[in-house]
Amino acid sequence: GAGVSQSPRYKVAKRGQDVALRCDPISGHVSLFWYQQALGQGPEFLTYFQNEAQLDKSGLPSDRFFAERPEGSVSTLKIQRTQQEDSAVYLCASTQTESLGELFFGEGSRLTVL
Amino acid sequence: KQEVTQIPAALSVPEGENLVLNCSFTDSAIYNLQWFRQDPGKGLTSLLLIQSSQREQTSGRLNASLDKSSGRSTLYIAASQPGDSATYLCAVEWRSQGNLIFGKGTKLSVKP
Repeated sequence: GAGVSQSPRYKVAKRGQDVALRCDPISGHVSLFWYQQALGQGPEFLTYFQNEAQLDKSGLPSDRFFAERPEGSVSTLKIQRTQQEDSAVYLCASTQTESLGELFFGEGSRLTVL
Repeated sequence: KQEVTQIPAALSVPEGENLVLNCSFTDSAIYNLQWFRQDPGKGLTSLLLIQSSQREQTSGRLNASLDKSSGRSTLYIAASQPGDSATYLCAVEWRSQGNLIFGKGTKLSVKP
């Protein structure tokens, strides 16, 4: 596609619900990253895929967070039993190569947990 | 701990002024540094990427410099315009990290 696409753009969940956030990277991009951005803060790294392999998940805040990229293209970030502190914008980014280089970001999924 | 700091947190200038945004980082063993722009409710747009071996990069009215030894980068915006109003984020990739560490950003407002 022309750019990184994320859905849904906005999600409101009740505390305790499970949510799934989708990222469609630019076609052919090898590397995919998930970041979490709280209000007024810079993005914080969550996890990184190279093709279908999850090479780094050190930024996932708890075992309620899970990410996958089974076919090396679309990725899903799943949050189980959501808590209020999970409220944030979740940004997906992709890059053409195995190393970082120039990152292309989606517009993000804004999650609000009530 | 590897950290990125941006000052000021917010800046308001009249249209036409030249301005400088500052970014500082701990640990000089960086791989690259990037400057991004973020508009409200939007994702990030990459503005300039400086490799560790480079000292500066230019794109139009933007110029970014890198001084690894002092742990600093600056983003210079010439002849600012209201359309430049946005949050500007600095991000560093360290060899040991393999991902980008972001500062909190500088929110720029250019008044007509």
